[in-house]
Amino acid sequence: EAGVAQSPRYKIIEKRQSVAFWCNPISGHATLYWYQQILGQGPKLLIQFQNNGVVDDSQLPKDRFSAERLKGVDSTLKIQPAKLEDSAVYLCASSLSVGGEQFFGPGTRLTVL
Amino acid sequence: AQSVSQHNHHVILSEAASLELGCNYSYGGTVNLFWYVQYPGQHLQLLLKYFSGDPLVKGIKGFEAEFIKSKFSFNLRKPSVQWSDTAEYFCAAQNGGSNYKLTFGKGTLLTVNP
Repeated sequence: EAGVAQSPRYKIIEKRQSVAFWCNPISGHATLYWYQQILGQGPKLLIQFQNNGVVDDSQLPKDRFSAERLKGVDSTLKIQPAKLEDSAVYLCASSLSVGGEQFFGPGTRLTVL
Repeated sequence: AQSVSQHNHHVILSEAASLELGCNYSYGGTVNLFWYVQYPGQHLQLLLKYFSGDPLVKGIKGFEAEFIKSKFSFNLRKPSVQWSDTAEYFCAAQNGGSNYKLTFGKGTLLTVNP
């Protein structure tokens, strides 16, 4: 079974630039999650989708972050404009349904200079 | 709000030593509890989970965890660690009252010296 795919694996940008991350979940998984993991901390949930609808985006900084899952399969997370404090690993995870075991992708390491 | 605390930031052990990593959670309702592991250069992966039933849960690679409801704890144990257990370990809690959102602790880096 193929795992959760993410791209790119690494990204370096300057502050105030924009960046986008892509995630393809495990086939058949209805629930998709984006996490932010800052160095030295555990992953923090940014947004959770059930199919193409948002279940929880309470911790998403909506003034600069946006995410979509238009067809209920793959998803993109965008930051515009980026700040220094956005430097982190962005993890995507998926599960069969809400509350199910989450499977994580390799993450995208973002460095904002 | 739900929170998860991990007691140790970095633990260093020699091979064959016993391991116990502490984890406490703050939510008072029904929670599901997890330990995840991230080996160097690899994805986060599930080590073990507790939903209900026997409070002593066995996971992969000889790990186990005990849920103690009265102490709001879910400590991870292994009787004899190996060099290959070197990794970062995350405790996480999930409750149905918040769309089953997973809240992670800050993680414990385990270094096992051969």
